[in-house]
Amino acid sequence: QVQLQQSGPRLLKPSQTLSLTCTIFGDTVSNNTAAWNWIRLSPSGRLEWLGRTNYRSRWYYDYAPGMRGRIGVYPDTSRNQFSLHLTAVTPEDTALYYCARDPVWGHSALDIWGLGTAVTVSS
Amino acid sequence: QSALTQPASVSGSPGQSLTISCSGGHSDIGTYDSVSWYQVNPGQVPKLILYDNRKRPFGISSRFSGSKSGNSASLTISGLQTEDEADYFCCSFTTSGTMIFGGGTTVTVL
Repeated sequence: QVQLQQSGPRLLKPSQTLSLTCTIFGDTVSNNTAAWNWIRLSPSGRLEWLGRTNYRSRWYYDYAPGMRGRIGVYPDTSRNQFSLHLTAVTPEDTALYYCARDPVWGHSALDIWGLGTAVTVSS
Repeated sequence: QSALTQPASVSGSPGQSLTISCSGGHSDIGTYDSVSWYQVNPGQVPKLILYDNRKRPFGISSRFSGSKSGNSASLTISGLQTEDEADYFCCSFTTSGTMIFGGGTTVTVL
């Protein structure tokens, strides 16, 4: 049974960097069919896909257009994890952040989700 | 990249059927057979209820069905039950290699 366990700080000040980690149990981050994603749910109830990483002979990275320049999604094969880094956060980045697996890249079928991390950005 | 377009809310009585539409464009829904739908209840993790336009994951009720035509997709809930009250989001793969969600639809059972 695949499970995703999230960790990271929940309270940040504007301009700081958000760093969240998702540890994978029951699968591997270097699975050459899956993709590992970050999504957030805003206080207004909007779901937003942020980015992903996946491995097919080499690592690939895709990011939402509105996030490029601020976001990085990084795999860590030694810890079987992947992380989200979001720089220069503002109060608009306040949201519930989820990591999720797409078992077959390209199908947008996010079948396994972490429990979520509530992140607040406030001065 | 704008969100896929969904109605803000739909409602129905128990036992009825209701349909939620999801409108996109040629760069997302129109190109790929990869529309998925998620059910989001307050305080709970989003749940995948349909993928590849119409396929149901193991354990999802057959009352949920999906279809796609051109640049639009739809989710139909048959035999509406009070437990179906939730927010529903469509999602599609895009020609840019990204994913995009709809704005979400709140389902109310009257």
